[in-house]
Amino acid sequence: AQTVTQSQPEMSVQEAETVTLSCTYDTSESDYYLFWYKQPPSRQMILVIRQEAYKQQNATENRFSVNFQKAAKSFSLKISDSQLGDAAMYFCAYRGLTQGGSEKLVFGKGTKLTVNP
Amino acid sequence: DTEVTQTPKHLVMGMTNKKSLKCEQHMGHRAMYWYKQKAKKPPELMFVYSYEKLSINESVPSRFSPECPNSSLLNLHLHALQPEDSALYLCASSRRTPVNSPLHFGNGTRLTVT
Repeated sequence: AQTVTQSQPEMSVQEAETVTLSCTYDTSESDYYLFWYKQPPSRQMILVIRQEAYKQQNATENRFSVNFQKAAKSFSLKISDSQLGDAAMYFCAYRGLTQGGSEKLVFGKGTKLTVNP
Repeated sequence: DTEVTQTPKHLVMGMTNKKSLKCEQHMGHRAMYWYKQKAKKPPELMFVYSYEKLSINESVPSRFSPECPNSSLLNLHLHALQPEDSALYLCASSRRTPVNSPLHFGNGTRLTVT
């Protein structure tokens, strides 16, 4: 079974600074997809960024980028120019391609990000 | 604005009550999901519907009964719940293909069982 590990329960960053959230995963599959979701106090899970495992190029979405290291099974999220609105719980998630597995999104335990003014 | 709408936002029910949670999406997604989330924990998958058919049941107790009347609606019927079932229940939808299609989540229903 696939597992996702987020080793940082909490992180804090100063407004306008850069922060990196860590995520590692364990899988025997060669093709899969990785996601970062944020969940602010409003409760809605919002997609931040996604990465296809077959792509070597790291995904970027405005101030958000990932460092995808397939061999190391690492998928970290970098937030540049942090804003107060970035404060949220961040979940790393894995989605495989095996029969039935493609319908499952496996989440890490989350990292609570605090942005200090 | 969320594209997945869940009602009600909050629900308090007794252990002998019967209630239903509702979820609606109009994005044409053919996969719909129920997740349960306890405080400070990640969401846990409960059920997956694919093309209106139940494809995954993660060994959820029978006091939770899902229903997918059509491609836009997903219900979760609740009966004889326990206090430990109190949690945030999240509905999500996605395109069935491609597999990298992200899940779109609703704002959830905060359920309290007394």
